Formats: sequence, C-alpha cells, structure tokens
Amino acid sequence: GQSLEQPSEVTAVEGAIVQINCTYQTSGFYGLSWYQQHDGGAPTFLSYNALDGLEETGRFSSFLSRSDSYGYLLLQELQMKDSASYFCAVDQGGKLIFGQGTELSVKP
Amino acid sequence: DAGVIQSPRHEVTEMGQEVTLRCKPISGHNSLFWYRQTMMRGLELLIYFNNNVPIDDSGMPEDRFSAKMPNASFSTLKIQPSEPRDSAVYFCASRGTGGNTEAFFGQGTRLTVV
Repeated sequence: GQSLEQPSEVTAVEGAIVQINCTYQTSGFYGLSWYQQHDGGAPTFLSYNALDGLEETGRFSSFLSRSDSYGYLLLQELQMKDSASYFCAVDQGGKLIFGQGTELSVKP
Repeated sequence: DAGVIQSPRHEVTEMGQEVTLRCKPISGHNSLFWYRQTMMRGLELLIYFNNNVPIDDSGMPEDRFSAKMPNASFSTLKIQPSEPRDSAVYFCASRGTGGNTEAFFGQGTRLTVV
C-alpha cells in the first residue's frame, strides 16, 4: 500500500517562517512534489525533489530525505496570499499520489 | 498553450443520470490523470494514462466509473448511473516527458448529483 502523512492545518503570522512536513510510505519512489491550491482553484506546482537535500525557489524551499521517507516545504517571509492548501505528492514513476493536504492560514 | 481544458466547469444532475466529463490535455504531454477531490477523501487519483493507454485504474471507485482516452488530445470520465456520493470536484491533469516533473491541472468540474 501507500500512505502520505501531513498535518491537516497550520497557522502562522505574516512575515514568519513555516514548515510543512510530509512522511510517506510507498512502493516505488521517484520523487516528492509540492503543490499549492487556493480555495476554488486548481493545484499548482511548487517544487520537485528527486534527490536528498534542499531545493530553493524564492521564498519557498523543499527538502527531501529518501532514507527517512520524509520531506518538508519551507515557506519564508509569509504573506497573506500564501493562505492556501499545500499538498505533498509522491511520484511513483509517472503515477502521482497526493497527500490529504495542509491548510495554511496566515494571520496579520 | 491554453493549459489543460476541462468541460463542463459545473454540472448538476439527478441521481441515476449519466455524466460525462471532458478533458483536453496540454499538447505534447503524454501522461494524463483524473483526480477526484472531496473534503473527506482529499485528492484521490482515479486513473492514469500514459501514451493514451490506461496504466493504473485502481482508484476508480466502482464499475459505474469509466474513462477513455481515444487520442492524445482528449479524454473522458463517465459516471453511469450517478449517485449523490459522487458529488465532488473532478480534476484532469497532464504531464510531459523527459524528466519533466510538473503536472498541470485543469480548472476542474464541480459535479453535484441531487
């Protein structure tokens, strides 16, 4: 079987840093992706980690440890517009399986 | 490219009716996914096509659901007969090849079965 675990919700204030963790158990692993989804919208791609380590893209960074079956998304200098749901997704060699999502609320 | 195009955006139907959802993937993409999203179950993968061939349909809930991809530019997801518990947002997504890791989602079809 396969499972992905991430917190259901996180709250933070503007300007802060927040980390959203994701642990996974899966047969076949090629990489871990992160997607953002605003209310009423479609998921949009943020990052992809195939190898261990940190990938940085602007205010967002994503980390992967394959040996620990663990990854996280780090959001810095939080803005109100970052309030959204964030999903980790395992790439099983083409097939993409999503976690349940973490709802991030950014407060003023 | 206009991105992944889904139709209709909204569908309200009566229980027992047939529903067909449509998707046009991004030109050149060889992978296509159908997902269902609900509050309770999150974003569930229903079926995954590669080069128009269904690779994994283990997420299709039951025989009432069927999906086809007759060519590289079109896919359908059909529910017959529909039931109230099928109410959800259905997303289609496509992805390219050659190490291209990003999946692009359509805007979704919000289905309500009454």
